[in-house]
Amino acid sequence: GAGVSQSPSNKVTEKGKDVELRCDPISGHTALYWYRQSLGQGLEFLIYFQGNSAPDKSGLPSDRFSAERTGGSVSTLTIQRTQQEDSAVYLCASSYLGGRYTGELFFGEGSRLTVL
Amino acid sequence: AQRVTQPEKLLSVFKGAPVELKCNYSYSGSPELFWYVQYSRQRLQLLLRHISRESIKGFTADLNKGETSFHLKKPFAQEEDSAMYYCALSGFYNQGGKLIFGQGTELSVKP
Repeated sequence: GAGVSQSPSNKVTEKGKDVELRCDPISGHTALYWYRQSLGQGLEFLIYFQGNSAPDKSGLPSDRFSAERTGGSVSTLTIQRTQQEDSAVYLCASSYLGGRYTGELFFGEGSRLTVL
Repeated sequence: AQRVTQPEKLLSVFKGAPVELKCNYSYSGSPELFWYVQYSRQRLQLLLRHISRESIKGFTADLNKGETSFHLKKPFAQEEDSAMYYCALSGFYNQGGKLIFGQGTELSVKP
């Protein structure tokens, strides 16, 4: 594929609804990351996957947030009972792990979530 | 705790002027430091990393472990350098390559 693909690019939802954000990483990339980008907060780490397992979920802000990855490829970030403070751009990135040094992260264009 | 601090939210310079974007970090082990850049309407992308010791688009950054800094510098700014710049930190051999980012500095280069 050309790069990391995210959908939807824009999502407007009502407070209390559930949303799912999808990420399709670069083929062959073993690691997948979710970040949240909001005004004044920079890039906030949420979770990362190595294969299908998530060794580090430390950035998920609450139990309303969850993510899964299947087949070592596509990942879905789910936000339940959305709140207005969840409004942000959710970025996905993928990387190939295996070298001595940290691999370059390749980012998607992001999913902009607006909670009314 | 790992932390990256970019003290300036916005840096505005004139074309041809030198520019320095500041980055300080806190990390107990051996860090890897990066600069990522996001141009308008484009994806966030890697600009440079300290282990490469490269100059990319005229930008350089030196890791100063004594001052725990990794400032990004360019001697003569160009209008096309206007973008959002993020400093990021990772630990060697660990954490699956997870990066901790700073809050970002918006660079505006005026004609």
